[in-house]
Amino acid sequence: AQSVTQLGSHVSVSEGALVLLRCNYSSSVPPYLFWYVQYPNQGLQLLLKYTSAATLVKGINGFEAEFKKSETSFHLTKPSAHMSDAAEYFCAVSAGNNDMRFGAGTRLTVKP
Amino acid sequence: GAGVSQTPSNKVTEKGKYVELRCDPISGHTALYWYRQSLGQGPEFLIYFQGTGAADDSGLPNDRFFAVRPEGSVSTLKIQRTERGDSAVYLCASSPERGGLETQYFGPGTRLLVL
Repeated sequence: AQSVTQLGSHVSVSEGALVLLRCNYSSSVPPYLFWYVQYPNQGLQLLLKYTSAATLVKGINGFEAEFKKSETSFHLTKPSAHMSDAAEYFCAVSAGNNDMRFGAGTRLTVKP
Repeated sequence: GAGVSQTPSNKVTEKGKYVELRCDPISGHTALYWYRQSLGQGPEFLIYFQGTGAADDSGLPNDRFFAVRPEGSVSTLKIQRTERGDSAVYLCASSPERGGLETQYFGPGTRLLVL
């Protein structure tokens, strides 16, 4: 079975500061990993996904994530936060089938 | 093109009532998923359709929950004898083929409140 743990239910950064959202996974098979963003009253939108190609994955809106097998991590980063990045972020893992498991989410607040 | 749509956007019902939640996937997407998102939690898998058939319904919490997709497009999630614990946002997603590598496109959800 697969699962993910997102460390920190709330993260607050200043505009222009580094964004780091942590995700650790557990999987009995090589995982596929995803980051989704959810803006208020909107559906989840895919930011990026890791599917066993390059370990550093670049996504939309300047976000990227690095797959580290030795640390079982897939942390999401962005060099410079923007006010529009304020949202809920979800990490998810799949074994390559329909069974995608989500973390509890991290709410990102960006202070001016 | 149009994304995944869900109706109604909000539903308030009384304990014990029956509700139906509708999902219109992206045209041509063969895979459809239902998730439930409780307050402060990530989406929890309920059921997955490949075409008209439920390929995996292992996430349905009990037999009060049922979902159909009779023509391989629109899907309806049905909840009988609703309980207050069923209150959550119910999310629908679709993808071109089966999940895993394929991106799932999510609808805005139906917020269900059981009084």
